Amino acid sequence: AQKITQTQPGMFVQEKEAVTLDCTYDTSDPSYGLFWYKQPSSGEMIFLIYQGSYDQQNATEGRYSLNFQKARKSANLVISASQLGDSAMYFCAMREGRTGANSKLTFGKGITLSVRP
Amino acid sequence: DTGVSQDPRHKITKRGQNVTFRCDPISEHNRLYWYRQTLGQGPEFLTYFQNEAQLEKSRLLSDRFSAERPKGSFSTLEIQRTEQGDSAMYLCASSLAEGAGILGDTQYFGPGTRLTVL
Repeated sequence: AQKITQTQPGMFVQEKEAVTLDCTYDTSDPSYGLFWYKQPSSGEMIFLIYQGSYDQQNATEGRYSLNFQKARKSANLVISASQLGDSAMYFCAMREGRTGANSKLTFGKGITLSVRP
Repeated sequence: DTGVSQDPRHKITKRGQNVTFRCDPISEHNRLYWYRQTLGQGPEFLTYFQNEAQLEKSRLLSDRFSAERPKGSFSTLEIQRTEQGDSAMYLCASSLAEGAGILGDTQYFGPGTRLTVL
């Protein structure tokens, strides 16, 4: 089974509107971390937001928030007030194990987001 | 504070040649990672170091691949006898394991080295 599933083939959003990018994950480890990265056409992976499995509240970082539903094993990224510069690939990733113990990330296949003016 | 840097940004080589990539992590970071990303896919883990020790290697890292981090600072990834299937983006990332706080050992990536094997 895939550890990270991103099934949306491509998303379009009007500038200034909000958009949700879906991510489901699979792990039997009670300790894990979930990350979202943005990859523009230039290729660099840019860290956006992090959610720990024991965090009680959903993570927020500026216009980014993470809708964390632990029972459903989903960690959807919400981008509010979309901007043209948000057009990029977005990757969900997971680190299994407690912080510092196991570092490698497992990534999903990504979602392409296009923001329309 | 500079981010993760990688050199070269692009490399074109002929099949059978050896190539070496360099990664300079964020200065205070003690962990360094290598990933490979092929077109239309997410990055796949190759290996990682804590200081100079190589702690884990993926099965993707065949005998033709070797990585080093001799002084716990920069790292090199060498591919010997390149094959066309090695064509990919090679990404390096670094993190601070100790004292990571709520950010949980977040990895910060460099711009990548795009390898094309002809």
